[in-house]
Order: sequence, then C-alpha cells, then structure tokens
Amino acid sequence: NAGVTQTPKFRVLKTGQSMTLLCAQDMNHEYMYWYRQDPGMGLRLIHYSVGEGTTAKGEVPDGYNVSRLKKQNFLLGLESAAPSQTSVYFCASSYSERMNTEAFFGQGTRLTVV
Amino acid sequence: DAKTTQPPSMDCAEGRAANLPCNHSTISGNEYVYWYRQIHSQGPQYIIHGLKNNETNEMASLIITEDRKSSTLILPHATLRDTAVYYCIVSPGGSNYKLTFGKGTLLTVNP
Repeated sequence: NAGVTQTPKFRVLKTGQSMTLLCAQDMNHEYMYWYRQDPGMGLRLIHYSVGEGTTAKGEVPDGYNVSRLKKQNFLLGLESAAPSQTSVYFCASSYSERMNTEAFFGQGTRLTVV
Repeated sequence: DAKTTQPPSMDCAEGRAANLPCNHSTISGNEYVYWYRQIHSQGPQYIIHGLKNNETNEMASLIITEDRKSSTLILPHATLRDTAVYYCIVSPGGSNYKLTFGKGTLLTVNP
C-alpha cells in the first residue's frame, strides 16, 4: 500500500516550458487535491476533484490545469511555466465528504522555474 | 470559513507534554477542528480532529473548550521526532477540499 505517490520528486523547468505532475493514490479515494507551498507559508489549494471526470478551482488556480480521467490519478499541468510557479507541490486524497475523515498527502514535488 | 490563530513557535523539552493552543473564535456549528503536522517539508500528516468532545488517539489528544472558540493539541510525551510545524484548521465536516492551511506553529522539541 503506497498511499499517495507524486511523480517527479524534483524538476527544473525553463520559463515557457510545459510539464505535467502526476499524483496517484491506491486507497480508492474519491477526493483528490493539489496544493502549492511557498517558503514560510502554509499550503494553498490550486485545484481539487470530487470524483473521476470532475475538477474544480481552488484558491490559486491561475496558470494550472488539471485532469482526473481515472479515479486513482490526478494530473496537474503547467502549460507555460513562469518563475512565480517555483514552489513545492503537494497532492492529497481523501474519502468523500460523506465520511468525515483525514486527507493523505504525498511527499511533494519540488519545482524550480528558471 | 473560520480562521485560526496559532503562536508562530513553541519549545518543549523531550519527554514532557507539548500543549499547542489554537483560537478559532468564529467557528461555525458544523465545522470541525483538524490538526495536521508537517515535518521538515514533508507532506502534511493528519493527527486528529474533533467537533465538540475531547478526542484521543495514539498520537495525541485534542481538547476543545465548551464554547468551541479554542482548542489545545496535546502531545503527551514529546520526542525529538515531534519537531514540526503544526497546523490547526477548521473545516466543515468531511469537506477536505476546504482545508485552509495557515502558517501554523513550529514546535521545537529540545533534548
């Protein structure tokens, strides 16, 4: 049981390049989330998904797109990376809101845009 | 969503109880109090949550005041591995997508 796995763990991009961050969970969770964390700050919600085929915007969605084609995977895309997107990205998953429970987090992806 | 107020940092001696306070004076009746922690930039880890009653699990105890305007997370016997940033979050029951992380409290456990 791997929990929540993020790929890659580290990446350096040039301004304007694109990339996709992959989040995979093996707990059959309905909900999945993408957060970013900047130095000295808490986590901010980018996008989330309440089920396969559904996505919604969080607190800081601009510059990112997401897809949830399979229940176990949640992809975060950067179409044209900017230095302001240098951050640590965390994915999380949880059961649906019908069950008041905890969110499980991945170990993070450290992205640097130069 | 209700906001929380936590001290930016606290120290605790190893083996002693660590008591981390949190104020959430605008909490709504349907909002739970969640505690997570983040060790050295790893992914946050769930600790405990509660609505009205005090809660205890293998990691910690959560004490919520009767008026629900504040709470305290208690680590009964702190170890060096408990050094982390602790986040107190209030959120409607089960709606984890509304987990809003503030800056938390950096707890440093000293030998």
